[in-house]
Amino acid sequence: AQTVTQSQPEMSVQEAETVTLSCTYDTSESDYYLFWYKQPPSRQMILVIRQEAYKQQNATENRFSVNFQKAAKSFSLKISDSQLGDAAMYFCALYNFNKFYFGSGTKLNVKP
Amino acid sequence: EADIYQTPRYLVIGTGKKITLECSQTMGHDKMYWYQQDPGMELHLIHYSYGVNSTEKGDLSSESTVSRIRTEHFPLTLESARPSHTSQYLCASSRWGPGNEQFFGPGTRLTVL
Repeated sequence: AQTVTQSQPEMSVQEAETVTLSCTYDTSESDYYLFWYKQPPSRQMILVIRQEAYKQQNATENRFSVNFQKAAKSFSLKISDSQLGDAAMYFCALYNFNKFYFGSGTKLNVKP
Repeated sequence: EADIYQTPRYLVIGTGKKITLECSQTMGHDKMYWYQQDPGMELHLIHYSYGVNSTEKGDLSSESTVSRIRTEHFPLTLESARPSHTSQYLCASSRWGPGNEQFFGPGTRLTVL
């Protein structure tokens, strides 16, 4: 079974500071993909960052980076220099067998 | 913004009505998906398609049906709506191939009275 767990239902960060969102997953496959998606209030879900499991190097996209620990099945998202526009629900997702499996999400609040 | 559209954005209807939620994408994507999402909760896959005339049921049991007659169009139909169908429905699409990004529509928020 493919499962994705986000243990932090809600987090807060001060503007300009750094925050890390946690995600663990379970799969018996060795080849898969991991994603972080952002869902702003009343807006479309968009991709934040993508990681291929066979790549050891952690993906980065500007202020967003991941810490991918394949053996531990952990895939955390680090947001640096947090901005007010980062406030949203963040979903971790696993791609396997032609389907996406999503976690329950973490609501990120950004305080000015 | 991704080129994937859903109509209506909001729908309030009575029990027993037949409804169709529309989803269209202009990106030429082969794969399309329907998810059900309660507010602030995880997404549950209810239907997906690999291309024209291909439809598959997802992991969450659903009383809805889908069709894929054209690449760009993937409507979802509820023959008889019930209050338990009240939820948000998200449509998504992606290019063929493993691990490609999904693009999401804005969602349809359905309320069945």
